[in-house]
Amino acid sequence: GAGVSQSPSNKVTEKGKDVELRCDPISGHTALYWYRQSLGQGLEFLIYFQGNSAPDKSGLPSDRFSAERTGGSVSTLTIQRTQQEDSAVYLCASSLSGGPQPQHFGDGTRLSIL
Amino acid sequence: GIQVEQSPPDLILQEGANSTLRCNFSDSVNNLQWFHQNPWGQLINLFYIPSGTKQNGRLSATTVATERYSLLYISSSQTTDSGVYFCAVERSFGNEKLTFGTGTRLTIIP
Repeated sequence: GAGVSQSPSNKVTEKGKDVELRCDPISGHTALYWYRQSLGQGLEFLIYFQGNSAPDKSGLPSDRFSAERTGGSVSTLTIQRTQQEDSAVYLCASSLSGGPQPQHFGDGTRLSIL
Repeated sequence: GIQVEQSPPDLILQEGANSTLRCNFSDSVNNLQWFHQNPWGQLINLFYIPSGTKQNGRLSATTVATERYSLLYISSSQTTDSGVYFCAVERSFGNEKLTFGTGTRLTIIP
């Protein structure tokens, strides 16, 4: 597609359940990022993938969070045993390559933990 | 890590007015982007401007990297300009992540 595509757009789940969020980057973009936006923390970096290199996981808040990127394209962010503080909008971005390039954002997944 | 401060935090203007939004950052950067987050939560790229000046219609931006600040100018404001404006930077020799400021909430009154 023309832009970064994320699904689902909204997700409501019960505390303790696992969730998977999907990101399809812009075709040809080798770099992919996950961020989240929450009321108390603003917009914060979670994880970065570049090509076949090991991902930069330095922003993941706990070991309940993990992400993978298959075939250098689609990425899935998984949150296990969700907690109420995980409620946020999860945003995916991609750029043409690593390094100083403009990042283009998807519309996000709004996650609500009951 | 790098600190990004935006001012003012809130701005309310009449339609047609001009405005200047400021972004200060605490370290050298090799990437700076301005975004508009609309009322539906979408983050729209406005400018990729690690240095220099760019213009796009009623909007323009200037980054003075040596003095560690960037300015976003909005002229002849329209109600559709309402939303939150974010500045985000990538520290030079950093790990490619963007660090966001806390944003300026702009409200344009008809």
